[in-house]
Order: sequence, then C-alpha cells, then structure tokens
Amino acid sequence: AQTVTQSQPEMSVQEAETVTLSCTYDTSESDYYLFWYKQPPSRQMILVIRQEAYKQQNATENRFSVNFQKAAKSFSLKISDSQLGDAAMYFCAYRSGETSGSRLTFGEGTQLTVNP
Amino acid sequence: GAGVSQTPSNKVTEKGKYVELRCDPISGHTALYWYRQSLGQGPEFLIYFQGTGAADDSGLPNDRFFAVRPEGSVSTLKIQRTERGDSAVYLCASSYGLYPGEQYFGPGTRLTVT
Repeated sequence: AQTVTQSQPEMSVQEAETVTLSCTYDTSESDYYLFWYKQPPSRQMILVIRQEAYKQQNATENRFSVNFQKAAKSFSLKISDSQLGDAAMYFCAYRSGETSGSRLTFGEGTQLTVNP
Repeated sequence: GAGVSQTPSNKVTEKGKYVELRCDPISGHTALYWYRQSLGQGPEFLIYFQGTGAADDSGLPNDRFFAVRPEGSVSTLKIQRTERGDSAVYLCASSYGLYPGEQYFGPGTRLTVT
C-alpha cells in the first residue's frame, strides 16, 4: 500500500517570503500522480498543483512550484512571494496511475501560517 | 460552472441514529468519491463510484456505512446506528474521466454524534 508522509505539522512564513513544504511517499509503482491540495478553514479542498511521475520537468503554477525527486520519492511544494491568503492546511496526496479510478492517499497535512 | 455541493453543511445526531449525507457532483463528472476526515488528519478514502456502480468500496469501515448513486449523479452516504467515533468531516469529490482525473472537492459535511 502507498503511504504519504508530511513531517512538518506546522510551518510559518513572512508575507512576501518563500516557504517550502516537504512530502515523501512510498510506492512500488512506476506510474502515479502527486498532488498538493490546500484546505482553508472553509474546509474546501482546493487543488494547488499536480505532477505526473513520468514527467521529469517540475510542475509550476504561478507562485507555486514543486521539486519532484522520483528516486528519493520526495515531492516538496515551494510557495514564492507568500500572501496572507496562502494561510491554510496543505495536504500532499498520491494517486495510482496503474489502478483504474484509484483513490487519493493523503498525508497528515502541514498547517501554514503567513505572518504580515 | 457550479462546483461540488454537499448537504447538510453540519449535522448533529444522537448515538444510534441513522443519517444520510448528500453529494451533488459537478455536472458531467462520471467519477465520485467519498472521504472521511477526522480532526487534525488528512482525508481517508471511503468509496468510489464510476457511474452508478460502486467500483471500490474497500475504504468503508464496516457494514454500518453504505453509499448509493442510483442515477449516476447525486450520491448519498448512509450511516446506520451512528457511533461517537463516526464524528468527522465527510468530503465528497468528483472527477471527469480517470486520467489524470483531478478530483474536485465539495465543502464537506461535519457530522457530530453526541
């Protein structure tokens, strides 16, 4: 079974600064997808960024980028120019590309605080 | 377009009662997922529908939990003989197709069993 680990329960960053959230995963599969979701107090899970395992290039979405290290099974999220609205719980998630309609397996989450 | 909606937003029930939680997916999304999120934890998978059929129900914790999606759109998660340990946020997600099949989540239903 796949597992996802987020070793930082809490992180904080100053507004306009850069922060990196860590995520490691364990799998024996070669085809899979990795995601970062943001969950504000409203509870709505919002997709931040997606990475396909077969792609060597790291995904970027505006101020959000990932550092995908497939051999190390690491998938960190970098938030540049942090904004107050970035404050939320962030979850790393894994999805198999080999099992039809596979579920998401989530990490425990990292609570990000953005200080003005 | 409209996102995934879930009703009710909050539900308080007494131990032993029966509850139904509803999920309305994004129009046209064929896949629908239910997750349960306990306080301070990441969501855990419960069940997945492709169309009307439950393609994977391996995450349902026991036979008190059941879900249906009779017309391939709206889904209902049903919990019988609720227990205090069932208290959690129940999240629903839908996706169009399977790959990459990003899942779009609803706001969840917070269930409190007293």
